[in-house]
Amino acid sequence: DAGITQSPRHKVTETGTPVTLRCHQTENHRYMYWYRQDPGHGLRLIHYSYGVKDTDKGEVSDGYSVSRSKTEDFLLTLESATSSQTSVYFCAISEGRDSWYEQFFGPGTRLTVL
Amino acid sequence: AQSVAQPEDQVNVAEGNPLTVKCTYSVSGNPYLFWYVQYPNRGLQFLLKYITGDNLVKGSYGFEAEFNKSQTSFHLKKPSALVSDSALYFCAVRALSGNTGKLIFGQGTTLQVKP
Repeated sequence: DAGITQSPRHKVTETGTPVTLRCHQTENHRYMYWYRQDPGHGLRLIHYSYGVKDTDKGEVSDGYSVSRSKTEDFLLTLESATSSQTSVYFCAISEGRDSWYEQFFGPGTRLTVL
Repeated sequence: AQSVAQPEDQVNVAEGNPLTVKCTYSVSGNPYLFWYVQYPNRGLQFLLKYITGDNLVKGSYGFEAEFNKSQTSFHLKKPSALVSDSALYFCAVRALSGNTGKLIFGQGTTLQVKP
């Protein structure tokens, strides 16, 4: 796994509580992404970042916010977790913005919201 | 709208036999296509990509994929399957909205290789 860590790797929480997931990279890549993986849906983009303090929404951003205060860290926050946010969350990084740059993925965080 | 379809939820093949995992796409303009593999409890790993040029693309672990523009397909292939190839495979296409390399993924195909 290319210099990407995610923490925590597993979390169980209750509905209505805030949750923050962390993605840390050592590759100094500019672009970072948060996806969620659900059966039958593949991976869907939640938010992405194209630089420090520069972020934008993906296709399933409702209920999520992100922050990037340093190149190496990209945080995903669930302000008030709901059961529909039970999922596996993956962070990805990319060296460049153009279409030919593949993305490299972290090991994932399994989140369960009771 | 850009989209990717993987028509098979699961593909079963015997070890040593050739394998094909299917992918079709719908994009505006030239497609940029990717295959990723996910082993249990791991993140996705990049296998190969098609940007331009030769329609047959070779990637990691002996995999290759054939780009077919007329059929809008990008099927993943391997001449001789290994048990260790058993995993979840994702096809993806780059979305054209913006220029940040956002990917749209298919729903995934589970490959089961039996000894």
